Amino acid sequence: GAVVSQHPSWVICKSGTSVKIECRSLDFQATTMFWYRQFPKQSLMLMATSNEGSKATYEQGVEKDKFLINHASLTLSTLTVTSAHPEDSSFYICSAIPGQEYEQYFGPGTRLTVT
Amino acid sequence: LAKTTQPISMDSYEGQEVNITCSHNNIATNDYITWYQQFPSQGPRFIIQGYKTKVTNEVASLFIPADRKSSTLSLPRVSLSDTAVYYCLVGSMDSSYKLIFGSGTRLLVRP
Repeated sequence: GAVVSQHPSWVICKSGTSVKIECRSLDFQATTMFWYRQFPKQSLMLMATSNEGSKATYEQGVEKDKFLINHASLTLSTLTVTSAHPEDSSFYICSAIPGQEYEQYFGPGTRLTVT
Repeated sequence: LAKTTQPISMDSYEGQEVNITCSHNNIATNDYITWYQQFPSQGPRFIIQGYKTKVTNEVASLFIPADRKSSTLSLPRVSLSDTAVYYCLVGSMDSSYKLIFGSGTRLLVRP
């Protein structure tokens, strides 16, 4: 099956710094990738849709200047959390869709802790 | 995208069949139904997807009635490792394929 990886799997950073999370589709090309955030004991919340070669589409309430998304190639999307604060601590998950399918393949997630 | 409603939690015992029903009253003609499984601190894992009637794969069955306003995920003979959160989602073939996650069903399988 299709595999999506994320790097790093966990990261701890200080308040005010920026953190970049990578999402890669390892064995397929993904024109569309998605970024989710999940707080403990809660469901996944869609943050944005990332399309290769174009600007990301953010969901209502998600600050695009704080969560920078870049989808520079058909196998890589990055999420940068800028000026991170403790309330940004969460589990960030990406997913990707192969060109002709409806199924989303999810990455393993990245645990971000801001101190 | 159609909103989904499913039970918050369910309990079962090893070896039993578990059926989780999801309501999606506002499902549109070009919407499809997908179920995912999620373990703690992991990304969701695809279980099964369907449009209408019944779909079966090696891990589960998905039953969709003719009106498509609900769907039932059936897990045969569950084991302890099936303890997880199960999400029912409705996706559109017409839109950007984005999925909106509901609260999910927390399944606990007891020995």
